[in-house]
Amino acid sequence: DQQVKQNSPSLSVQEGRISILNCDYTNSMFDYFLWYKKYPAEGPTFLISISSIKDKNEDGRFTVFLNKSAKHLSLHIVPSQPGDSAVYFCAAYFGNEKLTFGTGTRLTIIP
Amino acid sequence: DSGVTQTPKHLITATGQRVTLRCSPRSGDLSVYWYQQSLDQGLQFLIQYYNGEERAKGNILERFSAQQFPDLHSELNLSSLELGDSALYFCASSTTGTGSDTQYFGPGTRLTVL
Repeated sequence: DQQVKQNSPSLSVQEGRISILNCDYTNSMFDYFLWYKKYPAEGPTFLISISSIKDKNEDGRFTVFLNKSAKHLSLHIVPSQPGDSAVYFCAAYFGNEKLTFGTGTRLTIIP
Repeated sequence: DSGVTQTPKHLITATGQRVTLRCSPRSGDLSVYWYQQSLDQGLQFLIQYYNGEERAKGNILERFSAQQFPDLHSELNLSSLELGDSALYFCASSTTGTGSDTQYFGPGTRLTVL
């Protein structure tokens, strides 16, 4: 049972435009959400997170939006840069339970 | 560089064999996590240790075992290997091992079972 879903395996965006990566979850107990970024031959690195008491969190070019009623979160990257090309994983947890990861979306920024 | 090291980088072995993957956490981190990433799959949580004790268990097969040593490094042992065990195995570490703690990932060990 995939509790965290990233339905788009890949996404291509022109450099300078906005990249929007989506993630849906089924477990309403989740109260903390994270995005990780992964380059080839490296482990995932933490990018940005959001608590369920918020609906938006911003860090530079990266903004995460949370819609609890829709059980949906999204990561916006503006403007997109070539170095943003990577696989992005969303993850969620509640309490001290394990992190549950989505299957990832491969983002390609086209120069 | 996350500060988490994993060895070896690559491992090729045959079905039925046993292998050991090693992880050294970031300096000061007490908790270690192991994840498996198979083709087109997300990271599947296997097991977590905190200061030498098992803290949480995920979808870890009985053929797999792990431990965390007094110096806080960890080993993941995979035995009676099957073709389906071919995957990337990641280790992560965090300071307190609680849910809100950021996990720092190592570069992974790619296991190929032939």
